[in-house]
This record gives sequence, C-alpha cells and structure tokens, in this order.
Amino acid sequence: AQSVAQPEDQVNVAEGNPLTVKCTYSVSGNPYLFWYVQYPNRGLQFLLKYITGDNLVKGSYGFEAEFNKSQTSFHLKKPSALVSDSALYFCAVRDDTGFQKLVFGTGTRLLVSP
Amino acid sequence: DAEITQSPRHKITETGRQVTLACHQTWNHNNMFWYRQDLGHGLRLIHYSYGVHDTNKGEVSDGYSVSRSNTEDLPLTLESAASSQTSVYFCASSRPGQGVYEQYFGPGTRLTVT
Repeated sequence: AQSVAQPEDQVNVAEGNPLTVKCTYSVSGNPYLFWYVQYPNRGLQFLLKYITGDNLVKGSYGFEAEFNKSQTSFHLKKPSALVSDSALYFCAVRDDTGFQKLVFGTGTRLLVSP
Repeated sequence: DAEITQSPRHKITETGRQVTLACHQTWNHNNMFWYRQDLGHGLRLIHYSYGVHDTNKGEVSDGYSVSRSNTEDLPLTLESAASSQTSVYFCASSRPGQGVYEQYFGPGTRLTVT
C-alpha cells in the first residue's frame, strides 16, 4: 500500500527567501506524485505533478518540485516566497496500477512573514 | 466554466440522524471521490466511483454510503450520524482513462454532529 509522509507540520520563512516543503513517499512500482495547496475555507487546488522524465517539475504560481527516486522524496520548492503563499500544502501519491485514487500526506502549513 | 459544487456548505445535525451531502460536477468526469479532512490526518478517502453504478470503499468507509446514478452526481450519506463524523468533507473528480490526471476539488462541507 502506498503512503506519504510530510515530516513538518509547519514551515516558517521570510518573504523573499527560498522555501522548501518536504515530502517522502512509499509505493510499489512507479510513483505518480502530486502537490496541492489549500487556502483557508477553500478546497484543494492542484499545483503540479510528476509522472516520468525530468526530475524537476514546474507548476503553478512559481512553484516547482524535485523528484528523487533514491531518497523517495518529492520536495516542493520556490525560489522566492511571497506572503500570499501562506497556506496548507498537501503531497499525494498514487501507484501505476491504473487506479486513480490518491493517498495524501497530513499536510504542512507554510507561513511566510513580511 | 466547468466546476464542482457541494451543498450544503455548513451543516449541523444531531447524533443518529441520516444526513446526505451533495456533490455535483460539470466536468463530465467519470471518476469521483469523497474525502474527509481532519487535523493530524490530512485527507482520507471515504468512497469513490469510476462511473455510473460503480462505487468502491475507501480507507474510512464505515458509516458512510454513496450511490452513482448519473455522471454528474455522487451524494454521500451518513446513515446514522455520529460525533466522530464531525469533519470537513471534500468531493473531487478526475478524468477517466489510464493517464495520470489531477483531481479537481469542491469547496467542502463542514459537518458538525452534536
């Protein structure tokens, strides 16, 4: 069975600094990995996904994620954080069996201070 | 524009009552999912459907049921509401097929069972 770990409940970063939100996964076979963002009182919004190929995936709002197969990680990154990036971030994984259901991590709250 | 809606957005009910949460999508997606979001647990899959008349149990399906009579709707029913079912519920949908597709989420329903 697949699983996702987000080891940090909260990440604090100053505006303008780079940010990293960590995610590690466990899955049989090839992993398909996703990042979602949730703003207060809203549903989840898709940011980016990794299927295959280039280990650096670019997504919405300037976010990118780095896939590392040997470390089974898929960390979310942004070169320069904005206060408006403050939100709850979820990593998710599915396997390559063809079934579309996702397994989500517990989420990491990102706080960007002015 | 296509969208996914949930109703009601907020619901307070009493223990033992039957409650139905509605989910309607205009994406014409075959795949639909119900999740609950709880602090410390992230999103957990309750039920999912890959098409009309298809339903499947997720990891936390006890006490919940779904039915799929058309492509657009997947209502979630709590047969006899319990305080442990106080949560925020999200519906999602995704494209069918063997590809790797992101899920689109509704705005959520906050359910309180007293």
